[in-house]
Amino acid sequence: SQQGEEDPQALSIQEGENATMNCSYKTSINNLQWYRQNSGRGLVHLILIRSNEREKHSGRLRVTLDTSKKSSSLLITASRAADTASYFCATVTIGSSNTGKLIFGQGTTLQVKP
Amino acid sequence: EADIYQTPRYLVIGTGKKITLECSQTMGHDKMYWYQQDPGMELHLIHYSYGVNSTEKGDLSSESTVSRIRTEHFPLTLESARPSHTSQYLCASSEGWDRGTQYFGPGTRLLVL
Repeated sequence: SQQGEEDPQALSIQEGENATMNCSYKTSINNLQWYRQNSGRGLVHLILIRSNEREKHSGRLRVTLDTSKKSSSLLITASRAADTASYFCATVTIGSSNTGKLIFGQGTTLQVKP
Repeated sequence: EADIYQTPRYLVIGTGKKITLECSQTMGHDKMYWYQQDPGMELHLIHYSYGVNSTEKGDLSSESTVSRIRTEHFPLTLESARPSHTSQYLCASSEGWDRGTQYFGPGTRLLVL
């Protein structure tokens, strides 16, 4: 991919379980963002974490960032069937800070079974 | 809910036709972006704009062109559509680099026969 890999590519869990998705990237970043895409639709921004931050929370979402390993993880706790979607990480690299250009990973497809 | 709109949502067209995909936002954002996404794949940036009369090519080479005559409007044009242009096209806008969040439209699914 352009910037890195997402792992796993697909994840299937039962409602109520936690879902963890990982993202790795290649170059130094200004920030890393997670987006959600329901089938065939546009993307919705979930959370942004800056390069000087290590952890961020938003509702049932928890994002961590390890710049030494160039990796991030997204944890969704107490998953619901409505969380079924594809999740993408995207980075703004240091070189693209003034343009805000995002470089996307390949995405993780999450299925939450009722 | 983001105020960014794309039309048409679906388009089936024959080879050689000229098409324009519309994108409008009512948030007053300076920066706008076009991405191309094949099913189940990542998004690739094909064009972006800093503001009126400013456009740049993205990371993925594309035969399409864009214009930015008004802040709220960022149309994408294909002069002669080909089957290889079949894809989903997503438009996005953002307030600025330091905020970074991009707001996406619902996308246009293009099928060129």
